[in-house]
Amino acid sequence: DTAVSQTPKYLVTQMGNDKSIKCEQNLGHDTMYWYKQDSKKFLKIMFSYNNKELIINETVPNRFSPKSPDKAHLNLHINSLELGDSAVYFCASSQGVAYNEQFFGPGTRLTVL
Amino acid sequence: AQKVTQAQTEISVVEKEDVTLDCVYETRDTTYYLFWYKQPPSGELVFLIRRNSFDEQNEISGRYSWNFQKSTSSFNFTITASQVVDSAVYFCALIGGGYGKLTFGQGTILTVHP
Repeated sequence: DTAVSQTPKYLVTQMGNDKSIKCEQNLGHDTMYWYKQDSKKFLKIMFSYNNKELIINETVPNRFSPKSPDKAHLNLHINSLELGDSAVYFCASSQGVAYNEQFFGPGTRLTVL
Repeated sequence: AQKVTQAQTEISVVEKEDVTLDCVYETRDTTYYLFWYKQPPSGELVFLIRRNSFDEQNEISGRYSWNFQKSTSSFNFTITASQVVDSAVYFCALIGGGYGKLTFGQGTILTVHP
């Protein structure tokens, strides 16, 4: 009964490739997020969607494109991967878009060689 | 703009010691919420607590307690009688102005030795 799940857990790929990370939540929440955690453990928000509508779009390269087919899913597609994209990517969800606690998935460790 | 500062990069204690993790925040919003998350060695992020800017009551949950002081813009976290399983990275975070944008501090690595 996983609440927020992500696939894959590990992703190793070559520079220049395109890859996707999938996220699903079964909490019935209407808002989902992507965060990036760098090698120094610093966490920063990338995107958020509320009811499939983009709410937050931080200064992220346009090689990153989120897609939300429905409220329970938020995928992250990354084009032309670069070495600096190596990080752990976390998906999260919450009920409402304002101040509620966010529940995080297990993370996807992306390594770009 | 929001900012969260966790001045302690790493803390090392021996089991059963009490330990306090400091968190100082900056925001211009009058309504904001503060959070603590735990990231154990397995890597997941675990929600611990949420507090709103209008409620300065301290909170206790088992061995965990939180001290919110608006006057000093601080939201400190104390673990009483620490255990090895408390070893993790702890993050303080803030949402101000709504929109669910969590701003995290740099994290504090807590190591509890047996």
